[in-house]
Amino acid sequence: DAGITQSPRYKITETGRQVTLMCHQTWSHSYMFWYRQDLGHGLRLIYYSAAADITDKGEVPDGYVVSRSKTENFPLTLESATRSQTSVYFCASSEIDYSNQPQHFGDGTRLSIL
Amino acid sequence: GESVGLHLPTLSVQEGDNSIINCAYSNSASDYFIWYKQESGKGPQFIIDIRSNMDKRQGQRVTVLLNKTVKHLSLQIAATQPGDSAVYFCAGPNRDDKIIFGKGTRLHILP
Repeated sequence: DAGITQSPRYKITETGRQVTLMCHQTWSHSYMFWYRQDLGHGLRLIYYSAAADITDKGEVPDGYVVSRSKTENFPLTLESATRSQTSVYFCASSEIDYSNQPQHFGDGTRLSIL
Repeated sequence: GESVGLHLPTLSVQEGDNSIINCAYSNSASDYFIWYKQESGKGPQFIIDIRSNMDKRQGQRVTVLLNKTVKHLSLQIAATQPGDSAVYFCAGPNRDDKIIFGKGTRLHILP
């Protein structure tokens, strides 16, 4: 099915570990985004990408790394996980001119860091 | 700082009644707004959008109203059904053209 897929859906890891969250979209959308969702904060942008090999920081990028070697994939890596990174992470995509187009979201990865 | 936010964190509505969810924004230059629905355990789902050259836009059972004078928009859901139970977000661009999201209103449907 066409859409945006995130994996894993659930992940538990320990502080200091590296963890990578995967995101794959089948629409060939130019833009892809990573958000975290926490109680009291709503959705906050971590990183986004305008195209393959083009990424930029969002509101809360510290502690995260992204790459985009292919248009359809946009993995998010926590290089050394901390408890404050426990959250639900959502990947999204949109066509060109994302400020005038809706974003399409995956179903999220619930990440717990012990 | 700039914000896009909802007035109430929770709204309870009788099944069959109309629901109205309100949102305020601070960036007067915002020209595009989106409403999303998020069900438990799922990602936000696009419902309807509206551009600033419009005051009203209708979809299936949903209507969005935009009042640029007071920087307010609302989402109206007609004949609310149990499947409408979810968290609803409004979103709009900030001055850097990044989309920012409100914190959401949880809609409860009473039988």
